[in-house]
Amino acid sequence: EAQVTQNPRYLITVTGKKLTVTCSQNMNHEYMSWYRQDPGLGLRQIYYSMNVEVTDKGDVPEGYKVSRKEKRNFPLILESPSPNQTSLYFCASRRLLRNTGELFFGEGSRLTVL
Amino acid sequence: DAKTTQPPSMDCAEGRAANLPCNHSTISGNEYVYWYRQIHSQGPQYIIHGLKNNETNEMASLIITEDRKSSTLILPHATLRDTAVYYCIVGSLYNQGGKLIFGQGTELSVKP
Repeated sequence: EAQVTQNPRYLITVTGKKLTVTCSQNMNHEYMSWYRQDPGLGLRQIYYSMNVEVTDKGDVPEGYKVSRKEKRNFPLILESPSPNQTSLYFCASRRLLRNTGELFFGEGSRLTVL
Repeated sequence: DAKTTQPPSMDCAEGRAANLPCNHSTISGNEYVYWYRQIHSQGPQYIIHGLKNNETNEMASLIITEDRKSSTLILPHATLRDTAVYYCIVGSLYNQGGKLIFGQGTELSVKP
């Protein structure tokens, strides 16, 4: 089954404790992206990647890092989490070479930073 | 900022057609109209997209006006499982890092 898998789905952590949210897709998609969703603000793009070893900033990259060492994985790293990073996070992927219009989203990771 | 305007909420009776409107008066020539939906806090799900012509797939139909300034998503026979927030988005997956700007959407409630 084609899917985007995120882990963990739920996490409560404390300020400053480094954490990584993993994202993996099994569709051989070139493009992957991270979004965060906050009430009243909609979904905002954090980082995206067009292919292996190619990443770029989205609208709200501050406080986040990403890497794309393999095509299927695109982890989101919070080096020193702060309470304003409490949010619902989504990873998404799509084929790059055809404008099918379809972004595949993961089920989301709800992060709480105390 | 989102470049679309949608009603914040709509109701629809189960089994009837749900017609969700969207205004996008500033759409540019190379921008598509995309529709996604989000059930509770699950990941958004792609429904359909179009450029100029009307489109239909197994989930829905998309009607785009001739001037492309507005569109309507039609769910022909709404079920309770279609209750969700529906997002109308304009953009191009080839511009701005493939960013699609999700606005507030329309919360559709399908009632028995």
